[in-house]
Amino acid sequence: EVQLVESGGGLVQPGGSLRLSCAASGFTFTNYEMTWVRQAPGEGLQWVSYISNSGSTIYYTDSVKGRFTISRDNARNSLYLHMNSLRAGDTAIYYCATYGLGSRYYFNYWGQGTLVTVSS
Amino acid sequence: QSALTQPASVSGSPGQSITISCTGTSSDVGSYNLVSWYQQHPGKAPKLLIYDVSKWPSGVSNRFSGSKSGNTASLTISGLQAEDEADYYCCSYSGSSAPYVFGTGTKVTVL
Repeated sequence: EVQLVESGGGLVQPGGSLRLSCAASGFTFTNYEMTWVRQAPGEGLQWVSYISNSGSTIYYTDSVKGRFTISRDNARNSLYLHMNSLRAGDTAIYYCATYGLGSRYYFNYWGQGTLVTVSS
Repeated sequence: QSALTQPASVSGSPGQSITISCTGTSSDVGSYNLVSWYQQHPGKAPKLLIYDVSKWPSGVSNRFSGSKSGNTASLTISGLQAEDEADYYCCSYSGSSAPYVFGTGTKVTVL
């Protein structure tokens, strides 16, 4: 069974940092490109970042460029999102997800999400 | 990159069919047959329903079907059931530096 389990969310002050983790199991992690998608409270979904199978190709949505860093450890079957200079607008549930097998055009498996709250 | 436009809400009675539209531009929906649809129940993670405009992932009911015409994609739910009450989001590849744009979301109510 495919499982993606996020952790690392919590309450942080504006300007602070957090590192989110996503532990993957039940599938061959290296076969999948990965992503982070977030959802502000009561709002819709927003794509945040993409990382290729090897980690050599990375993309970010404009609002997080220079502040967030996506990475993966294929030996540990884990995905990460390092978030710096956090703002109130970053408050959201952060989901990790796989892309389709061999296709980076849709989000196939999703974790349950971890809540990040940026507030003083 | 602006969000794709979806109706805020759609409703129907059990057994009926409903259609949710997803309107983008010639830079996203209109340029690529790469629209996907997601179902999200309250407090749950999104679930993939349709990819590449009209393809079903394994395990998804064929009561859900997708199509596209020009800059507008559509999701049709046939034989509406109480369990279909949820939020639905479309998403399109846009080929830009921020290549994935979601729709505004549609709340489906089963009357």
